[in-house]
Amino acid sequence: GQNIDQPTEMTATEGAIVQINCTYQTSGFNGLFWYQQHAGEAPTFLSYNVLDGLEEKGRFSSFLSRSKGYSYLLLKELQMKDSASYLCAVIDSNYQLIWGAGTKLIIKP
Amino acid sequence: DAGITQSPRHKVTETGTPVTLRCHQTENHRYMYWYRQDPGHGLRLIHYSYGVKDTDKGEVSDGYSVSRSKTEDFLLTLESATSSQTSVYFCAISESEENEQYFGPGTRLTVT
Repeated sequence: GQNIDQPTEMTATEGAIVQINCTYQTSGFNGLFWYQQHAGEAPTFLSYNVLDGLEEKGRFSSFLSRSKGYSYLLLKELQMKDSASYLCAVIDSNYQLIWGAGTKLIIKP
Repeated sequence: DAGITQSPRHKVTETGTPVTLRCHQTENHRYMYWYRQDPGHGLRLIHYSYGVKDTDKGEVSDGYSVSRSKTEDFLLTLESATSSQTSVYFCAISESEENEQYFGPGTRLTVT
């Protein structure tokens, strides 16, 4: 079966750095997405990785290791507005998008 | 932001009644998707469309049907609503199956 694992919940302090991990076991790989979802709202696209390495976009970075089936989302200089759920999703060999259950990130002042 | 709207935004209906949710896009994207999101399950694909009149089932398609007669509209119908279909329903669009998906604001459906 296909599976994506993320921690259910994480807590971090305003101004700090947090890393949200995602491991996947899928039938093939054609890319990995990270989305942000605030409570009661729709998911919004954050980043896309298809090659190994780090993609940086402002305070957010996403890393991929295809050989390890592993990705992480790194959030720097945390702000209260970063409190949200973060969803990892993988495109498999049939171009189906497999979604993780999401990580709820709580930011404390 | 991608131009995607969903209607209605909220609906309460009774068990056994048919319900239709509408997704409308102004981006001319080829792919459209219907998901449901429930606590602890994440996003689950119900049906998707890869062009006008071209649709396929997702992982949780039982009890749902879809239609796409125009590029901009994708309809989701619950043929006979059940309490297990109480959920938040999201529509999404993408240019291709490899591209990021953009989501509509969601419809909160309650079946009593």
